[in-house]
Amino acid sequence: QSALTQPPSASGSPGQSVTISCTGTSSDVGGYNFVSWYQQHPGKAPKLLIYEVSNRPSGVPDRFSGSKSGNTASLTVSGLQAEDEADYHCSSYAGSKYLVFGGGTKLTVL
Amino acid sequence: QVQLVESGGGVVQPGGSLRLSCAASGFTFSDYGMHWVRQAPGKGLEWVAFIRYDGTNKYYADSVKGRFTISRDNSKNTLYLQMNTLRPEDTAVYYCANDPGIFLYIDYWGRGTRVTVSS
Repeated sequence: QSALTQPPSASGSPGQSVTISCTGTSSDVGGYNFVSWYQQHPGKAPKLLIYEVSNRPSGVPDRFSGSKSGNTASLTVSGLQAEDEADYHCSSYAGSKYLVFGGGTKLTVL
Repeated sequence: QVQLVESGGGVVQPGGSLRLSCAASGFTFSDYGMHWVRQAPGKGLEWVAFIRYDGTNKYYADSVKGRFTISRDNSKNTLYLQMNTLRPEDTAVYYCANDPGIFLYIDYWGRGTRVTVSS
């Protein structure tokens, strides 16, 4: 099972929208609706942002949204704020009781 | 509130062993599956292992299969990871995390414990 592919970096100015992609295969992202996204600030534990492709846990602002098309999932952050500067990780169930993560994307708020 | 507190990390020589623990509170531990996930320095997250809520089934990444063992004690609200035959590439921060089902999603994460494998 190979890691999912994320861009190493992304950036945007305050108030703008940024979309981070997460590309897998038909054996993981494309085959299941069990894609999740996590936010991780430096030195901190990851925090769940999105589960099952597009669901937000309570307490996560609706500025964060998720979607999927084919083998690629996407996280969109709208109305960028300074505190959104962090690393973002995607994950997907990959069948046969296996979980795969992406390499992470560092989001910079300019 | 949910708390997951890992312990047991440290520096160990290649070929050595370590046992990590994760103390859980703030949720019904015996209702949740549990994962170990690691993050090597400057790298992304890597799933390591999962155990069902009742401990009856355990699953491992290929990179640790046969060397690591995940277990849990629901009476003590504690998750474990026994790591044997450690390699330098096992150097990472190890996180425990809960899952409301079986590979549904990772809900809460601990703050991690650092493992360094070096001579």
